[in-house]
Amino acid sequence: DAGVTQSPTHLIKTRGQHVTLRCSPISGHKSVSWYQQVLGQGPQFIFQYYEKEERGRGNFPDRFSARQFPNYSSELNVNALLLGDSALYLCASSIQRNEQFFGPGTRLTVL
Amino acid sequence: GQSLEQPSEVTAVEGAIVQINCTYQTSGFYGLSWYQQHDGGAPTFLSYNGLDGLEETGRFSSFLSRSDSYGYLLLQELQMKDSASYFCAVREYMIYNQGGKLIFGQGTELSVKP
Repeated sequence: DAGVTQSPTHLIKTRGQHVTLRCSPISGHKSVSWYQQVLGQGPQFIFQYYEKEERGRGNFPDRFSARQFPNYSSELNVNALLLGDSALYLCASSIQRNEQFFGPGTRLTVL
Repeated sequence: GQSLEQPSEVTAVEGAIVQINCTYQTSGFYGLSWYQQHDGGAPTFLSYNGLDGLEETGRFSSFLSRSDSYGYLLLQELQMKDSASYFCAVREYMIYNQGGKLIFGQGTELSVKP
C-alpha cells in the first residue's frame, strides 16, 4: 500500500508569489493535517481537515489556507510568500487516535 | 502557553542505552507520542503513551507520568542507524478519534558513535 504522498518534492518561489502544495493520504484515511518544519525545529501545526471540513487551525496568518477534496486529498495554499515561509511542509494522515503517518514533505525555498 | 522541553543533542556509543527526556506544558493533553526523523525525511511514529506507565516496542520504550507532565524515550542496544532526530509530541485534542493537533518539541539529535 502506498503511504502518504506529497507533490512537488521541491519548489523554489520568489517573494510575493503564491504556492499550492498537494497531499494524498493513505487509502482509507479521512483526516489530513499540515505542518511546517523550519530547519532545526520541530514541525508546527498549520491545519487539520476531517471529512472535508477544517477541524483545527494553528497560529499561522490568513495567507495560509487549505482544503480537502471528496477523495480526502488536500491542498495547502500560501499567498504573498515571505522569505520566512521557506521550510519543509509536511502532510500527515491518520485513521486512528494514536498515530499520524507523515509524507516525505515538500521543501519550499522562497528567494 | 504551550511548550515541550527536550535536550537538543545526545551522543552515545553502539550497544549502549540512551534516555531522551521530555517535559511539557500544554492547554490540552491526549497523550504523548515520539517520532524519529532522519535528515530531511518524514517523521516516523515510534511510540505513544496515553496513560501513565511504560510502553515497550522492541528496542524502544516510552514512559509517561501525567502528574509530572514528563515522559521519556528509552533506546536500547543502540545501532548506527538510530542516529536521527527524535521528537516528543503532545496531542492537544482529538477529533472523532481521528488524530488531532500535535505539538512538537524542538527535537533531540542523537548521534551514535562506533
